[in-house]
Amino acid sequence: DTGVSQDPRHKITKRGQNVTFRCDPISEHNRLYWYRQTLGQGPEFLTYFQNEAQLEKSRLLSDRFSAERPKGSFSTLEIQRTEQGDSAMYLCASSLALGRGGLNEKLFFGSGTQLSVL
Amino acid sequence: AQSVTQLGSHVSVSEGALVLLRCNYSSSVPPYLFWYVQYPNQGLQLLLKYTTGATLVKGINGFEAEFKKSETSFHLTKPSAHMSDAAEYFCAVGSSASKIIFGSGTRLSIRP
Repeated sequence: DTGVSQDPRHKITKRGQNVTFRCDPISEHNRLYWYRQTLGQGPEFLTYFQNEAQLEKSRLLSDRFSAERPKGSFSTLEIQRTEQGDSAMYLCASSLALGRGGLNEKLFFGSGTQLSVL
Repeated sequence: AQSVTQLGSHVSVSEGALVLLRCNYSSSVPPYLFWYVQYPNQGLQLLLKYTTGATLVKGINGFEAEFKKSETSFHLTKPSAHMSDAAEYFCAVGSSASKIIFGSGTRLSIRP
């Protein structure tokens, strides 16, 4: 299967610890997105990359959150000094954007990383 | 600013009955509209999208949605529900190349 994969599927951590999630997009996709989803809510946009460049970050993304996509392939999302409010499902999606018609692109989502902060 | 509201967090229909999931949006610019489906323990999948052109959009698995600008709506329908349609459905709106805003979702249950 060459879909979007996320690792780990589940992460349990104690408040104050740092965590890092990984996302491997579909290989030919140039765009990669991170969303956060809490119970009963839709996905909230966090940030996105075009190739290795981070083009936009949501105001939801505090200074404790950092994302990278160093070689334009996989991406990591790190949360420092985790808080209980960070508990959520973190979703990664990728797409192939052609030209500037960004929203004609189809997002392919991974199954997510479920974070629980105790 | 953009927003999307899904009316009804849970909808239950009988197998074979009409499925209607409601979505209203707010956008200051012409919107692009999407419906995504999420099956248990799986990632979100695109059902259908509206960008420009024909306002009635057909998607996968027999679903369709109609963009009604005057009503700021993009309701999702399927003439005859199947047990396999049970899932969480998300309406989404966007207008730039960067952000898609999702609604809070509607859980669809199918009664035998």
